[in-house]
Amino acid sequence: QITLKESGPTLVKPTQTLTLTCTFSGFSLSTSGVGVGWIRQPPGKALEWLALIYWNDDKRYSPSLKSRLTITKDTSKNQVVLTMTNMDPVDTATYYCAHRLGWFGWFDPWGQGTLVTVSS
Amino acid sequence: DIQLTQSPSFLSASVGDRVTITCRASQGISSYLAWYQQKPGKAPKLLIYAASTLQSGVPSRFSGSGSGTEFTLTISSLQPEDFATYYCQQLNSYLTFGGGTKVEIK
Repeated sequence: QITLKESGPTLVKPTQTLTLTCTFSGFSLSTSGVGVGWIRQPPGKALEWLALIYWNDDKRYSPSLKSRLTITKDTSKNQVVLTMTNMDPVDTATYYCAHRLGWFGWFDPWGQGTLVTVSS
Repeated sequence: DIQLTQSPSFLSASVGDRVTITCRASQGISSYLAWYQQKPGKAPKLLIYAASTLQSGVPSRFSGSGSGTEFTLTISSLQPEDFATYYCQQLNSYLTFGGGTKVEIK
């Protein structure tokens, strides 16, 4: 059974850097074809894909946020870390991580999500 | 970037109704499309992948069709537990989501 869980601060100040950790079980990020992605959802709004990392350390970013995002993995700890710089109140959202299989795979399953509020 | 446009953004329907949601891509994406269901306060749940393949455990009243730029999600007979928001996602590049369709009780 694959499970993922997001962790990190619930409140960050504007201009600060957000660091979120996705801790997973039931699969290995050293297995060919496996990836983990990050997706966010502002309150009452649609889903937005942020970043993706694959077993071979290939990384993909949303073009609109690429300059602010960094995704890394720690295979030994079964963790994926997302950092987002220069946080703004518009970045207030629930942040999800999710498992992906293959270059054209879908996200399944997802973590429960973590709400991050950006406010001074 | 590939944009996905879902329609309608909101629909009101009754239990037992047949419901169809459309997702249009700004350029062809073959069959690289997934559909998700999201209930309030919960993470999205995969319903359909590869445009028309039902995820294991998903009721057969859900179906997907289409390829290229136009896709549909159909619920053949709406059940009380189906009232939720539905999202399409293209899997071809940069993993865009549609804007969502909220299905509410009439």
